[in-house]
Amino acid sequence: SQKIEQNSEALNIQEGKTATLTCNYTNYSPAYLQWYRQDPGRGPVFLLLIRENEKEKRKERLKVTFDTTLKQSLFHITASQPADSATYLCAPGGDSSYKLIFGSGTRLLVRP
Amino acid sequence: ETGVTQSPTHLIKTRGQQVTLRCSSQSGHNTVSWYQQALGQGPQFIFQYYREEENGRGNFPPRFSGLQFPNYSSELNVNALELDDSALYLCASSLGRPRAETQYFGPGTRLLVL
Repeated sequence: SQKIEQNSEALNIQEGKTATLTCNYTNYSPAYLQWYRQDPGRGPVFLLLIRENEKEKRKERLKVTFDTTLKQSLFHITASQPADSATYLCAPGGDSSYKLIFGSGTRLLVRP
Repeated sequence: ETGVTQSPTHLIKTRGQQVTLRCSSQSGHNTVSWYQQALGQGPQFIFQYYREEENGRGNFPPRFSGLQFPNYSSELNVNALELDDSALYLCASSLGRPRAETQYFGPGTRLLVL
């Protein structure tokens, strides 16, 4: 069955550093992969979508890579800020499916 | 442009009862998906409605049912509630063919089953 793995342990970093989150997937050939941010008790908020023919995508301080050979996506936040503290979810999609399949998310804590 | 709204925000029910959760999709969106999110987990797909018809279903029993109305708002009904149904229920809307690209989530309804 399709499986998505994200680091279950929280990532704790100092303000100003780059945060790197990992998303690995198996038994899946997604045409694209999305990253969402979720704050406690709130719904996920869309951040970025990267397609299988794109190696890298950037938006302000965010950068996403997508390696279909390794079946992995990396999500980077540069110059991290305490306001970036949240849970980040990855969701591969587009393999003729109509639904989003989410990983369990990685919690990011940015210390001032 | 109005975002996705859900009601109620919180709900407490007892085992065996029935519950209806409501969702208003973002303006112009014709597809609504429902997800269940247990504590510490990612959202799990329940089902999706596209132009008032169910367009796909996740691994949830038939006591989870839904509706989409002509204005594209939607309801999620859960019968015979079980303790494990306690979770955050999320509604997400999107536009166009239901190829599950970017979805816009509401704030969720927190359901507690006692």
